[in-house]
Amino acid sequence: ILNVEQSPQSLHVQEGDSTNFTCSFPSSNFYALHWYRWETAKSPEALFVMTLNGDEKKKGRISATLNTKEGYSYLYIKGSQPEDSATYLCATARGNTGKLIFGQGTTLQVKP
Amino acid sequence: KAGVTQTPRYLIKTRGQQVTLSCSPISGHRSVSWYQQTPGQGLQFLFEYFSETQRNKGNFPGRFSGRQFSNSRSEMNVSTLELGDSALYLCASSPGLGSPLHFGNGTRLTVT
Repeated sequence: ILNVEQSPQSLHVQEGDSTNFTCSFPSSNFYALHWYRWETAKSPEALFVMTLNGDEKKKGRISATLNTKEGYSYLYIKGSQPEDSATYLCATARGNTGKLIFGQGTTLQVKP
Repeated sequence: KAGVTQTPRYLIKTRGQQVTLSCSPISGHRSVSWYQQTPGQGLQFLFEYFSETQRNKGNFPGRFSGRQFSNSRSEMNVSTLELGDSALYLCASSPGLGSPLHFGNGTRLTVT
């Protein structure tokens, strides 16, 4: 994998469903993996920054895991709510730089 | 703390003109980076400044330039505008490497 890839591109779920997205990235020269949530008409908001293989982070109903050896991260949302509707972006920092490479995002729509 | 402030919010320019966008980071944040988002593209890294020095640069033509001042405020300049430069330009600040980015609301540039 040369770029950061996210799947699925979009997702429609019912309120209360749990869901998960995938972020795949080059495992070479890995430094950090970022997750952001971007709601319509707002600016992207940081969810997690993970650096260590096996890292797991949690924020309320949202959690993320990281596998740096195989180059992927999962984002989980438990019991989706309409306010979770947003585009979820992942990005990698390769090497010790401030340059982030973003994926195209996964757009989540939660229906009440 | 005040968030990242970008001005102006909207700009309409014609081809061939130049434009300057401004970004005021969160107080205490020394790293400022710029991203471009166009329809169908993810966030594309433009450049990053830290303590008035450009630390990283993305794959954009020389028409795109920037600078950072001693108070960490940053400006981005695009000369000889082209239609393809129409995009949302996001500025983000952070305390340093490994920290999450804090994004501004962006400047929406339209080139006609």
